[in-house]
Amino acid sequence: DAGVIQSPRHEVTEMGQEVTLRCKPISGHNSLFWYRQTMMRGLELLIYFNNNVPIDDSGMPEDRFSAKMPNASFSTLKIQPSEPRDSAVYFCASSLARGAFFGQGTRLTVV
Amino acid sequence: EDQVTQSPEALRLQEGESSSLNCSYTVSGLRGLFWYRQDPGKGPEFLFTLYSAGEEKEKERLKATLTKKESFLHITAPKPEDSATYLCAVQASSVGGGSNYKLTFGKGTLLTVNP
Repeated sequence: DAGVIQSPRHEVTEMGQEVTLRCKPISGHNSLFWYRQTMMRGLELLIYFNNNVPIDDSGMPEDRFSAKMPNASFSTLKIQPSEPRDSAVYFCASSLARGAFFGQGTRLTVV
Repeated sequence: EDQVTQSPEALRLQEGESSSLNCSYTVSGLRGLFWYRQDPGKGPEFLFTLYSAGEEKEKERLKATLTKKESFLHITAPKPEDSATYLCAVQASSVGGGSNYKLTFGKGTLLTVNP
């Protein structure tokens, strides 16, 4: 298995632009997580899906952030409009039972 | 609310100098405690899962232990290639029979092993 695949690996965008991050989880996994990592706050859970249904989105910072999981093999995290404070590394992770396996992350820079 | 605190924030060791990293947690029913290793520019890599107090897991120079309040990651005779950030996470049993199995992470310990 190729593991969790995220794209793009790096994204540089201007403030106010829309950004879409993509994730392909490990085949057969039924849980998917989106995390954001910064030096100050570490790894923060943004949203968690189970069987394609959002279970916990309490970590989504504000209405500018949205996430979808239209099927078991694909998820997106969208930021619209983006702001400089959104600059961070965004990780997608998937799980079948306990724990989770992470992708390589998307480094987002908003200038 | 689940909480995870890791200490120290950073640890510098000489090659061969054994030590331990600490992970203290509070959770409403532990489903599992997880240790990850993260190298710069990469995603966290799974190391161990511990399920109940008294459990121990080993892998090469690493040994993880678990009590009801904390976990330790013991590093025996470390090598420079063990340098990384080590992350601890807890997964709580879902309240009310639901399916919220989110992972809550600590901020990690940055380990540097000098040759």
